[in-house]
Amino acid sequence: GQQLNQSPQSMFIQEGEDVSMNCTSSSIFNTWLWYKQDPGEGPVLLIALYKAGELTSNGRLTAQFGITRKDSFLNISASIPSDVGIYFCAGLLNYGGATNKLIFGTGTLLAVQP
Amino acid sequence: NAGVTQTPKFQVLKTGQSMTLQCAQDMNHNSMYWYRQDPGMGLRLIYYSASEGTTDKGEVPNGYNVSRLNKREFSLRLESAAPSQTSVYFCASSVRQGMNGNTIYFGEGSWLTVV
Repeated sequence: GQQLNQSPQSMFIQEGEDVSMNCTSSSIFNTWLWYKQDPGEGPVLLIALYKAGELTSNGRLTAQFGITRKDSFLNISASIPSDVGIYFCAGLLNYGGATNKLIFGTGTLLAVQP
Repeated sequence: NAGVTQTPKFQVLKTGQSMTLQCAQDMNHNSMYWYRQDPGMGLRLIYYSASEGTTDKGEVPNGYNVSRLNKREFSLRLESAAPSQTSVYFCASSVRQGMNGNTIYFGEGSWLTVV
């Protein structure tokens, strides 16, 4: 099935560092979503982006919808141990008309060392 | 507000057994989804229901059936479980399927092992 190119696959950082991850695709999306998944839990929505160029923050998290509508990035500032988890991007792919599909990235594993 | 709830949380099946995963949402959402998550594969859509009374196949529908019982509930059935169906299953819901402004919310997952 289709998946987004999400990078990096994993990151091991020190507490207090900033983090950046991104998703790219050859397809145009009209919505980008960023999720965090803790071990043994379902994905939890962090940020939703609906317009090209949109920059949205949620606390220490900032995400942007790329101008070309083919990419998005997520930044986490001043990381803390509870930021540990897997981060997924997801893009809503428009096939035209009422047919749409949500495509997920393969995830970025974030480990934060105190 | 419970959001999306799914049961059971854990299940072990023997090959060939059948079972149904239950999902309910209390957000009055129109659209519901079933995904499976496997290591290194991300989330893959099995089936979805854009609205009450409709269901459609996703990326990996083989070996599964679904029922949109009412607006709140969307169940996933394995008629004859196979080891390849060992996975974590997530139910999700959204206000509407495939429109601008849509966001999707997930349940906590059901861990299924087929031996």
